[in-house]
Amino acid sequence: NAGVMQNPRHLVRRRGQEARLRCSPMKGHSHVYWYRQLPEEGLKFMVYLQKENIIDESGMPKERFSAEFPKEGPSILRIQQVVRGDSAAYFCASSPRQTTNNEQFFGPGTRLTVL
Amino acid sequence: AQSVTQLDSHVSVSEGTPVLLRCNYSSSYSPSLFWYVQHPNKGLQLLLKYTSAATLVKGINGFEAEFKKSETSFHLTKPSAHMSDAAEYFCFVSEDYKLSFGAGTTVTVRA
Repeated sequence: NAGVMQNPRHLVRRRGQEARLRCSPMKGHSHVYWYRQLPEEGLKFMVYLQKENIIDESGMPKERFSAEFPKEGPSILRIQQVVRGDSAAYFCASSPRQTTNNEQFFGPGTRLTVL
Repeated sequence: AQSVTQLDSHVSVSEGTPVLLRCNYSSSYSPSLFWYVQHPNKGLQLLLKYTSAATLVKGINGFEAEFKKSETSFHLTKPSAHMSDAAEYFCFVSEDYKLSFGAGTTVTVRA
């Protein structure tokens, strides 16, 4: 059973470009979570999605950031008009259902560098 | 709302000596608590979790943690550090799907 997959592993963008980060959850998992890890900081929750629904996006910046988890295909975290402050590691996690005491399984992360 | 405080941003130990990583939480309900480890340039790996069963939880690689409700703590320990334990460690509390991570504790191990 493959784990959570994220691609690309490394992404370089110039200021003003768009970044698309993909996350394929573990087989059988219908819940996806995105986190951001800024340099010298801990992990910060961004958004929680189920298939075709955003459940909680309280951690998402109000502008330029969006996320989706379509019925078919991976979850996408999209950052428009990137700025240097967006440089970070973005981690995706999945769980089989809404998590209370269930483990979240993390992907290896996408490291975004904005030049 | 829940929150997590990792009391030490950095811990340095000698190989073979005990490791203690401190985590305090606040929560409105009975939370689930987790410790994850992140090695350099790698993803996060679950070390152990507390889910209202036994208060002393044993995890992988010789780590264990004790849930103390009266102290709202979930400290991570290991009796004897190994060089491979050098990593960053995150304490995590979950209520429903609401998630909070501590800021992380970086562990260095001296030979």
